[in-house]
Amino acid sequence: GENVEQHPSTLSVQEGDSAVIKCTYSDSASNYFPWYKQELGKGPQLIIDIRSNVGEKKDQRIAVTLNKTAKHFSLHITETQPEDSAVYFCAASQSKLIFGQGTTLQVKP
Amino acid sequence: NAGVTQTPKFQVLKTGQSMTLQCAQDMNHNSMYWYRQDPGMGLRLIYYSASEGTTDKGEVPNGYNVSRLNKREFSLRLESAAPSQTSVYFCASSGGQGRRETQYFGPGTRLLVL
Repeated sequence: GENVEQHPSTLSVQEGDSAVIKCTYSDSASNYFPWYKQELGKGPQLIIDIRSNVGEKKDQRIAVTLNKTAKHFSLHITETQPEDSAVYFCAASQSKLIFGQGTTLQVKP
Repeated sequence: NAGVTQTPKFQVLKTGQSMTLQCAQDMNHNSMYWYRQDPGMGLRLIYYSASEGTTDKGEVPNGYNVSRLNKREFSLRLESAAPSQTSVYFCASSGGQGRRETQYFGPGTRLLVL
């Protein structure tokens, strides 16, 4: 079955710096790759997603890149702000979502 | 729209007790899901319902049962709770117009089994 590995597990950056979170997946049939942000005490919320026919997608300060050959995808957050501090999850899906283990991002003011 | 709602928010059970976690969505979604979240393990799928009247096992179904009561509601039942079922449980739904795969999550139920 599908397996998704996410790195790093924790990431601390200074406000204004960029943050990058990476995921690899095992099932080459996966065709949908969402990223979720989870704030303390809340449920995960979709922030951006990408489909396998697209290599890159950007939405304001966040972007996602996908390398189908290498089976990895990444989340890039530029000009980080303290409110970006949260746990971020990647996921891969061909029929059901398989989640990575999560990355705790801390943005220091 | 309330989105996805879950009750209760918190629950403490003793080993062997039973309980039902309730989930409802008002987005007219066809598919609904139950996940559990444990530290360092992401979210793992327990059961899902692709449409009203159908349910299927996910990665970790043992010790759980589900009921898709109608299109809006999907409940998760623990018949005999065990300490290993201490977790945060999330319900999600998907099937929106033009964005079928996007899953929307509820706020979660925090369960402690003593």
